[in-house]
Amino acid sequence: KAGVTQTPRYLIKTRGQQVTLSCSPISGHRSVSWYQQTPGQGLQFLFEYFSETQRNKGNFPGRFSGRQFSNSRSEMNVSTLELGDSALYLCASSFAGGMYNEQFFGPGTRLTVL
Amino acid sequence: GIQVEQSPPDLILQEGANSTLRCNFSDSVNNLQWFHQNPWGQLINLFYIPSGTKQNGRLSATTVATERYSLLYISSSQTTDSGVYFCAVQKLVFGQGTRLTINP
Repeated sequence: KAGVTQTPRYLIKTRGQQVTLSCSPISGHRSVSWYQQTPGQGLQFLFEYFSETQRNKGNFPGRFSGRQFSNSRSEMNVSTLELGDSALYLCASSFAGGMYNEQFFGPGTRLTVL
Repeated sequence: GIQVEQSPPDLILQEGANSTLRCNFSDSVNNLQWFHQNPWGQLINLFYIPSGTKQNGRLSATTVATERYSLLYISSSQTTDSGVYFCAVQKLVFGQGTRLTINP
């Protein structure tokens, strides 16, 4: 069974631009969560989608948004990019949206904002 | 919210040594996972262990939920074990990680 895939793997943008990242979960998984990893803040939860609905949201500004499609693929969008948005963005999928399901991570998208 | 603390922050060992990594959490949990982050950034699942003990080859983990801690044991370390080990609970809240360096 194929793992979680993320595209693109690397991205360079300039301040003020917007960016869209994509995540395809493991086949049969219906929950997709997004995380941001920076050297200063570590790994932080952004949001979770289940059955095309956002179920949980972390403490990030409204510039960070996402959506999930009927095939469970998810996209994350960051508008009006800031230098501090430079990070590794990780996507994880799990079989169901409950609190207790094991999550599996993709390889990440490394975003650099200049 | 729930807090997760990992210790030690850094650990340097010689190949063949054993190590114990600790994860403390501030509230009861129903989900706890251990990950190894490889040099390219991918998080590799090691254990899904909200309670009890599990073993996988040279690695084993124990979670004592009533005392709010989990331990990851690595025996006979190899250089490929180097990297950052994360503990995460609930949805997921991550600790700051333990950076393990195994020297040949």
